[in-house]
Amino acid sequence: DAKTTQPPSMDCAEGRAANLPCNHSTISGNEYVYWYRQIHSQGPQYIIHGLKNNETNEMASLIITEDRKSSTLILPHATLRDTAVYYCIVRGDPDYGNNRLAFGKGNQVVVIP
Amino acid sequence: GAGVSQSPSNKVTEKGKDVELRCDPISGHTALYWYRQSLGQGLEFLIYFQGNSAPDKSGLPSDRFSAERTGGSVSTLTIQRTQQEDSAVYLCASSAQGRLAGNEQFFGPGTRLTVL
Repeated sequence: DAKTTQPPSMDCAEGRAANLPCNHSTISGNEYVYWYRQIHSQGPQYIIHGLKNNETNEMASLIITEDRKSSTLILPHATLRDTAVYYCIVRGDPDYGNNRLAFGKGNQVVVIP
Repeated sequence: GAGVSQSPSNKVTEKGKDVELRCDPISGHTALYWYRQSLGQGLEFLIYFQGNSAPDKSGLPSDRFSAERTGGSVSTLTIQRTQQEDSAVYLCASSAQGRLAGNEQFFGPGTRLTVL
């Protein structure tokens, strides 16, 4: 029960910004939005997380709508090494209870030269 | 610095045999998770250890699966009487504790288990 909906796949052009959408219409007030990615044959890698404010780090930006029912992960300048399956995950407050991650099928992003 | 390590990286076994998979978490991380990923699928939660608390075993698919964590560090996942449907990549992750840490989970490279 991943609680999120993502497109199964998308292509994006190398050097351009990649905007990865995620719907989480049933998110509750204390649930966070996390993004991980998994490059082929590797373990998942944390990208970013947020509650309601937009967040930015060295890898990406996370834009969360005001009603929190959807979010967008932005890779500002996609490179070929960004080709991966991207997972949008909703989970409870990390300080309470099990922090298990409920991975869905994710979005297979292919960066095209 | 050292990340999460897992061994072996690949394991091929015959149906009915027992296997042990090992995970070395990042030093100081109190939380440890096991997941498995079948071909073309997302990750499936198996078990969670947090400090000295009783582990959450709710994700283990059958009583053939068990795990332990000794001394709050290394963990071993044991699968008894393996079946072909156990074939998957078994991933271990660890995380620090505390809000400021974000509880980001750091994953190991996984163990690819093939049951013939």
